Amino acid sequence: QVQLVQSGAEVKKPGASVKVSCKASGYTFTSYYMHWVRQAPGQGLEWMGIINPSGGSTSYPQNFQGRVTMTRDTSTSTVYMELSSLRSEDTAVYYCARSRDRFDYWGQGTLVTVSS
Amino acid sequence: QSVLTQPPSASGTPGQRVTISCSGSTSNIGSNTVNWYQHLPGTAPKLLIYSNNQRPSGVPDRFSGSKSGTSASLAISGLQSEDEADYYCAAWDDSLNGWVFGGGTKLTVL
Repeated sequence: QVQLVQSGAEVKKPGASVKVSCKASGYTFTSYYMHWVRQAPGQGLEWMGIINPSGGSTSYPQNFQGRVTMTRDTSTSTVYMELSSLRSEDTAVYYCARSRDRFDYWGQGTLVTVSS
Repeated sequence: QSVLTQPPSASGTPGQRVTISCSGSTSNIGSNTVNWYQHLPGTAPKLLIYSNNQRPSGVPDRFSGSKSGTSASLAISGLQSEDEADYYCAAWDDSLNGWVFGGGTKLTVL
């Protein structure tokens, strides 16, 4: 069965970076795009970008460009999301989600807390 | 401020039918299909409706979706207590070149 298993919770100081992983199993890793979506406390879902695991190409929305980097390791079927220059507003649960034209499977979420 | 507009809350009693609206523009809902997600606190969001009105395997037929112009709706009939959750609409936006979500609607079963 399809599974997306994310790395554990992180606590970071403002200005630091965080790297969250998402290990895929149960399907052909390179056949589906992977996205990252976050939810800040009391807020809605926010799309952070997409990576094509096949070639590694990425696309990020303007509000994350320059701060987010998505990469993948096809040997372990894992995608990574690194967010830099963290600020308190980046405190959120971060999800990876598989897609072709809809997010059909999601990871369990990773809580990232940014606090001094 | 979310690109897609949803009412912040909705409610109903067990057995009732409720609808949740999602309003967008020509660059998102007007040009692309709409998906709906159910999100229970502490869990991963779950795909509920895709391509405006299609249900993934395992989603009860109590859930249905529709789209007209730049708006979409999610309907839940025969409301059950386990339907209490947050519901989000989403669509691809051609102008932003990315996915956009509604702000979410918290459904309360009274």
